[in-house]
Amino acid sequence: GDSVTQMEGPVTLSEEAFLTINCTYTATGYPSLFWYVQYPGEGLQLLLKATKADDKGSNKGFEATYRKETTSFHLEKGSVQVSDSAVYFCALSERTGGFKTIFGAGTRLFVKA
Amino acid sequence: DTGVSQDPRHKITKRGQNVTFRCDPISEHNRLYWYRQTLGQGPEFLTYFQNEAQLEKSRLLSDRFSAERPKGSFSTLEIQRTEQGDSAMYLCASSHRTGGMNTEAFFGQGTRLTVV
Repeated sequence: GDSVTQMEGPVTLSEEAFLTINCTYTATGYPSLFWYVQYPGEGLQLLLKATKADDKGSNKGFEATYRKETTSFHLEKGSVQVSDSAVYFCALSERTGGFKTIFGAGTRLFVKA
Repeated sequence: DTGVSQDPRHKITKRGQNVTFRCDPISEHNRLYWYRQTLGQGPEFLTYFQNEAQLEKSRLLSDRFSAERPKGSFSTLEIQRTEQGDSAMYLCASSHRTGGMNTEAFFGQGTRLTVV
């Protein structure tokens, strides 16, 4: 079945450092791709999305590009802040059937001041 | 509409007791999903509804679990004879499907269940 693999954490960075969290997927169809973020004590929030190959999703300084040829959707940010500390989930959603969302295991990010 | 809401936010129960959780989706959304999230893992799909019809159930959903969405609006998830392994965060999400297109899923804040 469809699956998502993302880099294990935790990732610890200093403020203003560059962030990359790797994500690859396996899908039988042509899914939509997402990054969700979960701040401490809060629910899942959609961070960004891309629905077709070469689309770039972006929000709050974060970016990810849908790479069909490498089945990847890596998350990047040029300069992280302490407030970016959270757990980040890469996910895909099928385009058929139930459109259910399949998540990776999550990557915890700590940003130090 | 303030988004997907779940009640209660936290539930502590003794092993063997039954528990029921409620989810109110975004009002115009016709699809509703339940997920379970354990510590250090991503959410895992349990089941989903299109309007009032339950269209798919994961094999994770044992016979002790039942979900309903009687009027195509709110949904309940009941766990009978709870076990310690049921301790997790239960997440509800909703989306809208129309004309073959589907919005992304919007998640509630979850119900954290602790079975003691």
